[in-house]
Amino acid sequence: GNSVTQMEGPVTLSEEAFLTINCTYTATGYPSLFWYVQYPGEGLQLLLKATKADDKGSNKGFEATYRKETTSFHLEKGSVQVSDSAVYFCALMANQAGTALIFGKGTTLSVSS
Amino acid sequence: DADVTQTPRNRITKTGKRIMLECSQTKGHDRMYWYRQDPGLGLRLIYYSFDVKDINKGEISDGYSVSRQAQAKFSLSLESAIPNQTALYFCATSDRTGGPETQYFGPGTRLLVL
Repeated sequence: GNSVTQMEGPVTLSEEAFLTINCTYTATGYPSLFWYVQYPGEGLQLLLKATKADDKGSNKGFEATYRKETTSFHLEKGSVQVSDSAVYFCALMANQAGTALIFGKGTTLSVSS
Repeated sequence: DADVTQTPRNRITKTGKRIMLECSQTKGHDRMYWYRQDPGLGLRLIYYSFDVKDINKGEISDGYSVSRQAQAKFSLSLESAIPNQTALYFCATSDRTGGPETQYFGPGTRLLVL
C-alpha cells in the first residue's frame, strides 16, 4: 500500500543553520507530494507541493524536489529562523480516484537563537 | 474570517458520553475530511466525504460516525467516548478543480476523555 516515511525528530538547530528533513514514499503510479507545516497551537498549512518527477516545490525559502528514482521528497532550507520552529509533515496523494492524503508521522523542528 | 472552522476548540468529556465535533467551511469545496492527531503517530484519517451523498471510512473509523449535513458542514460523532479517543481532531477540505488536490485544515479540536 501507499505510505510515507519521515526522519524522526526532534531536529534541533541554531538560527541560520542548514535544514534537511528526509522523506521517502511508497506508492503505485505517480503520486503528488506535499509538505505541510504545523505551528504551535495551529492547524496544518500547506508549505509546498510537487506533482511530477523532477518538479521542485518552493515557498518561504523551503524547497523540495520530487525524485522518482529514489522515491524521495526531502525538505531543505538554507538558513533557518526561530520562526521556522514547527512540526513538518510529508504527505502523498495517489493519483487514483477516491483516495485521500497519506501523511508521515511528522518531524519536530526547534530553532534556537 | 477563517475558511475552515471547528467547534468546540477544546472539550472535556467522560467515558460513555456521546459528543459531536463540528466543522464548517466557506471555501466552497466538495471534499471534507476528519483526522485525528496523536503524538508520534502523525495524522490518521477517520472519515472523508467527496460530496454530500458520499461518505467513506478512513483508516481508523471504528468508534466514530459522521454526518454531511450540507456541502459546507461535516460533523464527527463519538457515540460512546472512551479514553483512547483523547486526541487532537482536525477537519480539512479540498477540491480537485484545476490541479492536484490540496487540503486546507481547520484549527483543530482538542478532546480529552476522562
